[in-house]
Parts: sequence; C-alpha cells; structure tokens
Amino acid sequence: GAVVSQHPSWVICKSGTSVKIECRSLDFQATTMFWYRQFPKQSLMLMATSNEGSKATYEQGVEKDKFLINHASLTLSTLTVTSAHPEDSSFYICSAKGRDRRYNEQFFGPGTRLTVL
Amino acid sequence: DAKTTQPTSMDCAEGRAANLPCNHSTISGNEYVYWYRQIHSQGPQYIIHGLKNNETNEMASLIITEDRKSSTLILPHATLRDTAVYYCIVRASMKTSYDKVIFGPGTSLSVIP
Repeated sequence: GAVVSQHPSWVICKSGTSVKIECRSLDFQATTMFWYRQFPKQSLMLMATSNEGSKATYEQGVEKDKFLINHASLTLSTLTVTSAHPEDSSFYICSAKGRDRRYNEQFFGPGTRLTVL
Repeated sequence: DAKTTQPTSMDCAEGRAANLPCNHSTISGNEYVYWYRQIHSQGPQYIIHGLKNNETNEMASLIITEDRKSSTLILPHATLRDTAVYYCIVRASMKTSYDKVIFGPGTSLSVIP
C-alpha cells in the first residue's frame, strides 16, 4: 500500500513552453500533497503544500504564478511549470499524505526529471 | 522543526553494519526522529521513526539516546543497494494537516564491495 506515482518520469521541453507533472496516490486518498524540487547534488527543497480543494501554500521564494499547483481530487495533484526556462531544469518530487491512520505519513513519488533546453 | 546535524559522508564495507549518527540537541518533547533515504535519481524512501524508545523494523534499527539529543540509524548488514543519501529529520507527528517533511543535506553513505 501507500504507492505514489508521478507522470512523466522525465520530460524535455523547449524554453518558454509549459510543462505539467502529475502526482497520483494509487491506493489511498491523499488529503495533502507536497511538491519538492531538487537540483543536482543538493537536498530536496519544499516548494508548496496543497490540501484537496484548497489553494496551495507556497514556501518563501517560490513563485506561485510560475509553479501552478492544482489538487482537484483526493488522488491527483498537478504541478505546471509555466514558461519554463533552463534554470527550471530540476528533479521534481511529490509526496502525499492521507487522513486514514494507515496513510497518515508522507509517501513520496519516484520523481520527474525536467530538462528545459 | 528542530535542526539536525549529520556527517556529510560515510563509507561502509559491504556486509558490515552501517551506523549513521544524527545530532538533534534542540529536539522538543513532542518531536519524533524520522529517517528517510534517497537512492540516486529516485524519490525518498521512509525507513523508520521513533520518539524515545529504540525501534526496529525490517530495514533498520533506530537507537535514540536517553536525553534524546542524538540518535543512530543502524543498517545491520549493509549491501551495495544501501548506497544512498540518508536524511535524519526531527519533527512533530504527521497528524496535523500542514505538517511537512523538511530535508537537510543528509549523509551520503557509500557501501564499498
């Protein structure tokens, strides 16, 4: 149990385009989802937290208009990187937490590697 | 969240026990010690957590000192697949909606054949 998937696992796009990354909780309902970004040889940095049906809460320094987060259902959250630029190239990781006692921890997805040319 | 300090890197011989230390001298009474690891280019994986008693599961053991100011994660028989970055995180229980895992730099463990 407690499987979180991400799609795609990797994506290459041109500068100026927008990219959408999906995060799904496969076997539980995720009341809260988290998005992290990780640059090479660095630790994970929390970008934002979202609760189902509510607007996301962004960490300081993260542009909410650039990184659009939608948590429209209890099993799906999306992160859209708008007008992507090479400096947005990174490893994006989501995690999900459920309300049920068995899933009341943060379970992490496998990550999505974004390369912006 | 309380701050933790870990060594930047460690080596361990394959088959031997890997002992990863973590200092968390400012931990408060309701904060747990969590350990995660991240194998290269993968998402983090939960290992174990504890409050004040030592804990053991199929992956590892967690030894927390009596004053709770430090802990050690023990991988009893390290294999090459245990090569990863290990993160020690101190935080309150995940029971509230807005609790979140904040990662420090972690310890890069290399298991050597």
